[in-house]
Amino acid sequence: EPEVTQTPSHQVTQMGQEVILRCVPISNHLYFYWYRQILGQKVEFLVSFYNNEISEKSEIFDDQFSVERPDGSNFTLKIRSTKLEDSAMYFCASTRRPEGNSPLHFGNGTRLTVT
Amino acid sequence: GIQVEQSPPDLILQEGANSTLRCNFSDSVNNLQWFHQNPWGQLINLFYIPSGTKQNGRLSATTVATERYSLLYISSSQTTDSGVYFCAVETPSDNNDMRFGAGTRLTVKP
Repeated sequence: EPEVTQTPSHQVTQMGQEVILRCVPISNHLYFYWYRQILGQKVEFLVSFYNNEISEKSEIFDDQFSVERPDGSNFTLKIRSTKLEDSAMYFCASTRRPEGNSPLHFGNGTRLTVT
Repeated sequence: GIQVEQSPPDLILQEGANSTLRCNFSDSVNNLQWFHQNPWGQLINLFYIPSGTKQNGRLSATTVATERYSLLYISSSQTTDSGVYFCAVETPSDNNDMRFGAGTRLTVKP
């Protein structure tokens, strides 16, 4: 069964550095997401992406964050000038259609640690 | 936005016991999924269940969309069932972006 794949599985970075988290959604999916989970807390929506542009973003997704689909397969989340509070698990997800009536498939996540 | 409430927040069971986890939501939904987050942090999709009842082994789920709740049943629990169970919903009022509840932390003791 096709899977959403995320790399790296764990990244450690120093405060103030830029990081890029990578995702390869399922190939025939059209709608892509990033979610964040701070340790011990619930999974929070960051941003959705459809037709090569941001569809919606949450209050968390400020100017420090950006997303890109640089080619036909990758979907990236860039965090500029990381802060300690950016430490979290970041999940990528994709779904086949944008109408909300097909399941969301999640990757295994990237655990980001900012020191 | 939509409110998703899960209960109980914590649940401790003896191995072999049955349990019911509940998810209430405040608006009509197009999609509802149950996930199990394992100790490694992975989100495992259990059910895609916007309405009706589904069963998969010892687990089953029922969503009553008109009454805005869903239930996850775990029978004959095993220690490997431990982890956090999340309910997540999509609603047109949130642009069909999935919103998660706070989860139920299940601990199954041997």
